[in-house]
Amino acid sequence: KAGVTQTPRYLIKTRGQQVTLSCSPISGHRSVSWYQQTPGQGLQFLFEYFSETQRNKGNFPGRFSGRQFSNSRSEMNVSTLELGDSALYLCASSFAGQGPSGANVLTFGAGSRLTVL
Amino acid sequence: KQEVTQIPAALSVPEGENLVLNCSFTDSAIYNLQWFRQDPGKGLTSLLLIQSSQREQTSGRLNASLDKSSGRSTLYIAASQPGDSATYLCAQGDTGRRALTFGSGTRLQVQP
Repeated sequence: KAGVTQTPRYLIKTRGQQVTLSCSPISGHRSVSWYQQTPGQGLQFLFEYFSETQRNKGNFPGRFSGRQFSNSRSEMNVSTLELGDSALYLCASSFAGQGPSGANVLTFGAGSRLTVL
Repeated sequence: KQEVTQIPAALSVPEGENLVLNCSFTDSAIYNLQWFRQDPGKGLTSLLLIQSSQREQTSGRLNASLDKSSGRSTLYIAASQPGDSATYLCAQGDTGRRALTFGSGTRLQVQP
């Protein structure tokens, strides 16, 4: 079956612009999580969605937002881009029920690499 | 605040050697611990998941252990191969945040 698909794979933006990244989870998976990976900070949790509801959010400014659609596809948006937003953004899906999503194995996509100039 | 530490940051071994990667965590209320592999420029591949009630998990040449009392997990790779070259990350899952806290990874290179 198809894995987690993230688009676009690469993109370049300039400071002050905004960007939208897309994630299509594995069919049947209802939970989608987003992570930011940078050389300096490593992998950091952004937010997690389940059934179109944000269940948890990491310690990122309000410029970072997301949403989930009824088909479980998710988007994240970063407004007013800063140089420090350059990173690999990873999406992961899992078949998470009502229990803690940490109990489920996460399947990651290949990521969207954002470069801010 | 949860912290996950991985030592060493980088490791180079000759092909065929057995090796151990280390992961330390500070939160004793750990729910589970996962080991991932990341190839350059790629996403993460889940290798092993250990629930807090378990002590170890095995998959092929990989064996992961969990010791909650000492706050440590190890990933044992037997008979290493050049194809094992990658960055290995451990991540702690908790009950409340529904999120994983990752270590900074160990970059492994297996020399043919």
